[in-house]
Amino acid sequence: KAGVTQTPRYLIKTRGQQVTLSCSPISGHRSVSWYQQTPGQGLQFLFEYFSETQRNKGNFPGRFSGRQFSNSRSEMNVSTLELGDSALYLCASSLEENTEAFFGQGTRLTVV
Amino acid sequence: AQSVTQLGSHVSVSEGALVLLRCNYSSSVPPYLFWYVQYPNQGLQLLLKYTSAATLVKGINGFEAEFKKSETSFHLTKPSAHMSDAAEYFCAVTLKGGGNKLTFGTGTQLKVEL
Repeated sequence: KAGVTQTPRYLIKTRGQQVTLSCSPISGHRSVSWYQQTPGQGLQFLFEYFSETQRNKGNFPGRFSGRQFSNSRSEMNVSTLELGDSALYLCASSLEENTEAFFGQGTRLTVV
Repeated sequence: AQSVTQLGSHVSVSEGALVLLRCNYSSSVPPYLFWYVQYPNQGLQLLLKYTSAATLVKGINGFEAEFKKSETSFHLTKPSAHMSDAAEYFCAVTLKGGGNKLTFGTGTQLKVEL
């Protein structure tokens, strides 16, 4: 069974640009969550999608958005990039509520 | 709201020694608790989870954790450390009805020395 796949693995963007990250969950998983990991703030929850609907949202500005498609694949978008958005972005998929979250290897975003 | 506190951002043990990583949680309702491990430039891998079925939970790679409600703790232990255990460990909590939103602790970097 294939794991969670995140693309791309590495990304370099310039301040002010926008970026889209992609996540393909494990087959059959309908829940996809996104996390931002930085040395200063640690692991922070961005949002969760379940069956194409946003079910939970963390405390991030509106520049951070996401969506989920009918095949459960998810994308997150960050507009007007800031230097502080440099981070490892992790995607996790789950089969049901409160069950194991399977994480992808992450996308390392560097904003210059 | 739920939260977890991991005491000790860095822990160093000798190979073969006991590993003890501490996690305390705060929750107004019974929590679901998890321990994850992260190797450099990798995602997170689940070690074990507590979902109220049993207070002593056994996980992969010889790790286990005990849920103690009276102490609001969920400490991770391993009887004998191996060099391959060197990694960062995260405790996390979620609540029933809260979807799959995980709240993580700040992490503990485990170093294993010869």
